Amino acid sequence: DVVMTQSPLSLPVTLGQPASISCRSSQSLVHSDGNTYLNWFQQRPGQSPRRLIYKVSNWDSGVPDRFSGSGSGTDFTLKISRVEAEDVGVYYCMQGTHWPPTFGGGTKVEIK
Amino acid sequence: EVQLVEAGGGLVQPGGSLRLSCAASGFTFSIYWMTWLRQAPGKGLEWVANINQDGSATYHVDSVKGRFTMSRDNAKNSLYLQMNSLRAEDTAVYYCARDVGWHNIDSWGQGTLVTVSS
Repeated sequence: DVVMTQSPLSLPVTLGQPASISCRSSQSLVHSDGNTYLNWFQQRPGQSPRRLIYKVSNWDSGVPDRFSGSGSGTDFTLKISRVEAEDVGVYYCMQGTHWPPTFGGGTKVEIK
Repeated sequence: EVQLVEAGGGLVQPGGSLRLSCAASGFTFSIYWMTWLRQAPGKGLEWVANINQDGSATYHVDSVKGRFTMSRDNAKNSLYLQMNSLRAEDTAVYYCARDVGWHNIDSWGQGTLVTVSS
């Protein structure tokens, strides 16, 4: 199985400051069709996960533009340009290129 | 609006069985792949199984293969997960989710808790 490694595990951030989460895969996530199936999910406390970003850098509708995704191959990043209180939660990357789809272990974003 | 509502969770003894269901609404259920995922208490997310549009193909991860069976009824807009030979490590919140292509999940249910314990 493809191993997805996220860092850091915990990310204390000051309101209004930027935050960055890294996600690395144990093998390339470039599919034979040319797409890279790397998604980012946010899970707020007590809620179901919510997709933020799909195929590396595409926003879901309703997702604030302070969130952005980037990367290629095996290295990916989720950035929050200015953290707001509602961003508190756990963030997961997930690869869908290889079977079985696998998730990173999560990064907990909290306010300092 | 896409709605996915899971049901059927509860407490079951090791070795027991449980059948989860997921009622879908707000979209044309029959044209989407669907997925079950789970999250053990305080832990991360795990893909469990998925199923194609007409139910003719299912894929289960190794940890549940031979014990869990995913199915669907498009006439009822419903998804199912039959879980047999349950183990303590199957304890988790089980989510159903819509797959919009290549394991790309865009909508999740609220989840149903399965606890396997004696």
